[in-house]
Amino acid sequence: EAQVTQNPRYLITVTGKKLTVTCSQNMNHEYMSWYRQDPGLGLRQIYYSMNVEVTDKGDVPEGYKVSRKEKRNFPLILESPSPNQTSLYFCASSFGANVLTFGAGSRLTVL
Amino acid sequence: KNEVEQSPQNLTAQEGEFITINCSYSVGISALHWLQQHPGGGIVSLFMLSSGKKKHGRLIATINIQEKHSSLHITASHPRDSAVYICAVAGNQFYFGTGTSLTVIP
Repeated sequence: EAQVTQNPRYLITVTGKKLTVTCSQNMNHEYMSWYRQDPGLGLRQIYYSMNVEVTDKGDVPEGYKVSRKEKRNFPLILESPSPNQTSLYFCASSFGANVLTFGAGSRLTVL
Repeated sequence: KNEVEQSPQNLTAQEGEFITINCSYSVGISALHWLQQHPGGGIVSLFMLSSGKKKHGRLIATINIQEKHSSLHITASHPRDSAVYICAVAGNQFYFGTGTSLTVIP
C-alpha cells in the first residue's frame, strides 16, 4: 500500500529534550515536506526537500532541523524543544504537482 | 501574505443542502488539490485539478486558471461530510489555504 508513515503518532516531552519524528514513504517520491498545523493558522511549511541531500526552509523553520540522506526518509529533528512547538505535525510526499500524500500526523506536546 | 485564500472559514449546513467552498490563489500553479481532514484525523486528497472540472460521487471541483479560482461543491450534503476542507496549490512549492470547517447538521 502506498503510504507515508510517521512516528511517533503521539509524544509528550519536556523542554530541551531532543526528539526526532520520523517520516518514511514507499512511493519513490522525490519531494517531501514537513508541516505544522495549529488552530486558526492552517498548515504551515517547516522544511521541504526536492531530492536526496537537497533541503530548504519553509515558512516556519526556526527550532527545527531536517535531513534527507535517503529518498524514502525525511526525519524532523527538534534539538531543544520548547512549549511553542506543541502542535500537530504532518509529513507529506509528492510526485511533481500531481500526487500529494500525507502521513497520519504526529501530535507533540512540549511541557 | 497569503498565497491561497479560502472562503468561508466556517460553514454550517442542514443535511441535504448544496455547499460551495471557494479558493483563490495569487501564484502561478501547475495543479490545485482539494484536501479533506476529519476531526482528529489525517489529511486525504479528494481531487487534483489542473483545468476544468472533476466529479467524484457527490463532490464536484472546478478550476478557472485565468481567474485563479477554484470551487468545491458538495451536493446533497450529509453529516459525514463534516470536516475541514483545505485548498492546496502546487507552484514552486505547495501553498495551503487555512481551511474551511464544515458542519452538516442532521
